[in-house]
Amino acid sequence: DSGVTQTPKHLITATGQRVTLRCSPRSGDLSVYWYQQSLDQGLQFLIQYYNGEERAKGNILERFSAQQFPDLHSELNLSSLELGDSALYFCASSVGLDVGEQYFGPGTRLTVT
Amino acid sequence: GENVEQHPSTLSVQEGDSAVIKCTYSDSASNYFPWYKQELGKRPQLIIDIRSNVGEKKDQRIAVTLNKTAKHFSLHITETQPEDSAVYFCADGTEKLTFGTGTRLTIIP
Repeated sequence: DSGVTQTPKHLITATGQRVTLRCSPRSGDLSVYWYQQSLDQGLQFLIQYYNGEERAKGNILERFSAQQFPDLHSELNLSSLELGDSALYFCASSVGLDVGEQYFGPGTRLTVT
Repeated sequence: GENVEQHPSTLSVQEGDSAVIKCTYSDSASNYFPWYKQELGKRPQLIIDIRSNVGEKKDQRIAVTLNKTAKHFSLHITETQPEDSAVYFCADGTEKLTFGTGTRLTIIP
């Protein structure tokens, strides 16, 4: 157990809908990262937050957005969902701002039908 | 990092033999190189990492080597065991991590 929690574990929804994925980092970690992993694919970095502020952006679609709250938990919002958005979504956390040891949560499996 | 190439994409090794996975990166500013192990349906788990000021790091049966001049780093697993079967990802980065495409390692009993 990495100490990073994610909810829900599974999510099934229809095209065009909007969903929110939630992540709580390890105690003491200030950075949260979101990744997308499609079937048999690698991990694609989406976005990083540090202590409530956006710090780095990857290949995140405009239909996706995220935020980190004062208690440091983070939410990833996915809207106007398409079939191709079906994937595993992981969040990871680390202590500081600089790239370093990242600990992953168990992931949310999103299925868009 | 900007781009990370990982080879091979699949690797089968007899139990007890060694396995080597190689990655090449392009961003000369990269200073952190972790390796993650991901079992089917599970989260990626950090197994070893190395910083750019170090050439080699070892942790029991696992070692990572870094060649900054050639911009490549490798994961070495010795005395492989069935529980080593998984997908392994390399990554590199400065402000964020860029992951390789993964190597599916199968240990043959």
